[in-house]
Amino acid sequence: ETGVTQTPRHLVMGMTNKKSLKCEQHLGHNAMYWYKQSAKKPLELMFVYSLEERVENNSVPSRFSPECPNSSHLFLHLHTLQPEDSALYLCASSRDVAGGINEQFFGPGTRLTVL
Amino acid sequence: QKEVEQNSGPLSVPEGAIASLNCTYSDRGSQSFFWYRQYSGKSPELIMSIYSNGDKEDGRFTAQLNKASQYVSLLIRDSQPSDSATYLCAGHYGGATNKLIFGTGTLLAVQP
Repeated sequence: ETGVTQTPRHLVMGMTNKKSLKCEQHLGHNAMYWYKQSAKKPLELMFVYSLEERVENNSVPSRFSPECPNSSHLFLHLHTLQPEDSALYLCASSRDVAGGINEQFFGPGTRLTVL
Repeated sequence: QKEVEQNSGPLSVPEGAIASLNCTYSDRGSQSFFWYRQYSGKSPELIMSIYSNGDKEDGRFTAQLNKASQYVSLLIRDSQPSDSATYLCAGHYGGATNKLIFGTGTLLAVQP
């Protein structure tokens, strides 16, 4: 595997389900990000992790719960979602979060549909 | 409120022409900018980064940054149908979280 991978690629869930999205980066980076991309809207940053520590929580509802067990893996746990949460969820990684410009590289995304 | 603005398009150009994509930003504190290409149904792919005023060239792509006027542009020379995609402009605002602010993207359609 190379770059940033995400599973599953597609997910359909009911509002009462609990599911998790997984991201893994194979770039040796120290920072990982979750973004939400909805139609006609800019990418929205949700969470930022640096060396497994959460450094940004962009006013995201508690029904989204991130987890970063190590610098290569990032999860997004989902529970009691709403139909408006249907979107493309993108994971990204960068070398670091500080100390200069750190380019972000995206995974393929998980297309989530909430029924 | 930090914002990055892009014309949503579509911008239609004939094959072989120069495509010019523009982006303006509201916060003079932004240090650097990135252009991502996103094909329909795919994730964004980084194609250019620009950190200082002036032009930066990479193959058929040229990024231009003018901090005084607060605009960024991407020129694609010899446009190909395979360049048809949405182009996202993102501004980097530094700080402790490497935060990027994205525009909504410009859809480019290259006509064969």
